Amino acid sequence: DQQVKQNSPSLSVQEGRISILNCDYTNSMFDYFLWYKKYPAEGPTFLISISSIKDKNEDGRFTVFLNKSAKHLSLHIVPSQPGDSAVYFCAAAGWETSGSRLTFGEGTQLTVNP
Amino acid sequence: DTGVSQDPRHKITKRGQNVTFRCDPISEHNRLYWYRQTLGQGPEFLTYFQNEAQLEKSRLLSDRFSAERPKGSFSTLEIQRTEQGDSAMYLCASTLLLGFGNEQFFGPGTRLTVL
Repeated sequence: DQQVKQNSPSLSVQEGRISILNCDYTNSMFDYFLWYKKYPAEGPTFLISISSIKDKNEDGRFTVFLNKSAKHLSLHIVPSQPGDSAVYFCAAAGWETSGSRLTFGEGTQLTVNP
Repeated sequence: DTGVSQDPRHKITKRGQNVTFRCDPISEHNRLYWYRQTLGQGPEFLTYFQNEAQLEKSRLLSDRFSAERPKGSFSTLEIQRTEQGDSAMYLCASTLLLGFGNEQFFGPGTRLTVL
């Protein structure tokens, strides 16, 4: 079963506008969430994370929002830049139950047009 | 470069052959993870080590797969009698487990093609 799901395979936005990437999860034991960015032929690069005790975490242009009741998180990128074009993966971990291994979504291809 | 490194970056092999991949984690990191990624999917967990101890293996890791982390430093992943379904990107990640939180740092991956 797909415990972490990213329903949008692709997203296209204009440079300078906001990019919003969404992620849903089903396992209530997840208590730590991360976003990774991946360029072709490279490994995933860590972007930002959030623990379940928070509902928002911000780092520069990147903000992650967590809605625990809806089991939903989102990544906002403002303003979007062409260099942000990549595949974005949402990942989740359960500290107590899963050795902190990460469960990933399928990814969303973000394209930022100049 | 002090990041996670993997060798080789690409491997092409014939079905039935054995292959071995190496991962060198960030030096002070005590946890090392192996993931597999196929086209259009996110990485899937295979196994992880705390220092030299292998603590968990996914059901994806069949008997043909074996992983080691001697002396708690680098790790190897061996696939015996490769099958075409083993074709994938194999990713290694490491982290320093100090407390809550788990930002894993990934290597560039080894792309395996089984003909």
